[in-house]
Amino acid sequence: DTAVSQTPKYLVTQMGNDKSIKCEQNLGHDTMYWYKQDSKKFLKIMFSYNNKELIINETVPNRFSPKSPDKAHLNLHINSLELGDSAVYFCASSQESRQTYNSPLHFGNGTRLTVT
Amino acid sequence: AQSVTQLDSQVPVFEEAPVELRCNYSSSVSVYLFWYVQYPNQGLQLLLKYLSGSTLVKGINGFEAEFNKSQTSFHLRKPSVHISDTAEYFCAVSRKTSYDKVIFGPGTSLSVIP
Repeated sequence: DTAVSQTPKYLVTQMGNDKSIKCEQNLGHDTMYWYKQDSKKFLKIMFSYNNKELIINETVPNRFSPKSPDKAHLNLHINSLELGDSAVYFCASSQESRQTYNSPLHFGNGTRLTVT
Repeated sequence: AQSVTQLDSQVPVFEEAPVELRCNYSSSVSVYLFWYVQYPNQGLQLLLKYLSGSTLVKGINGFEAEFNKSQTSFHLRKPSVHISDTAEYFCAVSRKTSYDKVIFGPGTSLSVIP
């Protein structure tokens, strides 16, 4: 029973297109995240939502827009895709809240986005 | 702001040999420390974490790490590695004093040689 699942696993698209990645967690966690992993394996946080409220919004182009319909789901929509957007995008969740800051992250298996 | 350094980008080691993966951090406040492992084509999994208390922390798959506050280090060790330990290892920190993001180090690629 997958804890954090994201779809699709692979996404190949052309420059200028718009695409979405979906994420769902069944752990009952309050907080969800999007991370970007580049070709050198470097991980950078993009967004964090706590109970559907945007908590962290790193310096990410406006073309990236997260949406959290409920606390179990966090989707990522990307407009006008560029070559530099090619990366692996990871969804994660944790029991992090404003009272506890030490909950580990649970990651999905990633979505490999290739922009041609 | 806090930061994490993993000095070794690649560590090759023979099977059944011991290994140490180094992690140093900088932060103006106390931190929580984590090690995560990423197997090929998978997401990251928690290996172990240091929150408080004993500075020697034991994790899954026979790994352990020691928190050294004076040296701001959190090195990961395993006395005898297996082929299945071949993976990318990430050290991570988060601040104790506020709700904040987890900062990851650049990762160390461990290759176990048969």
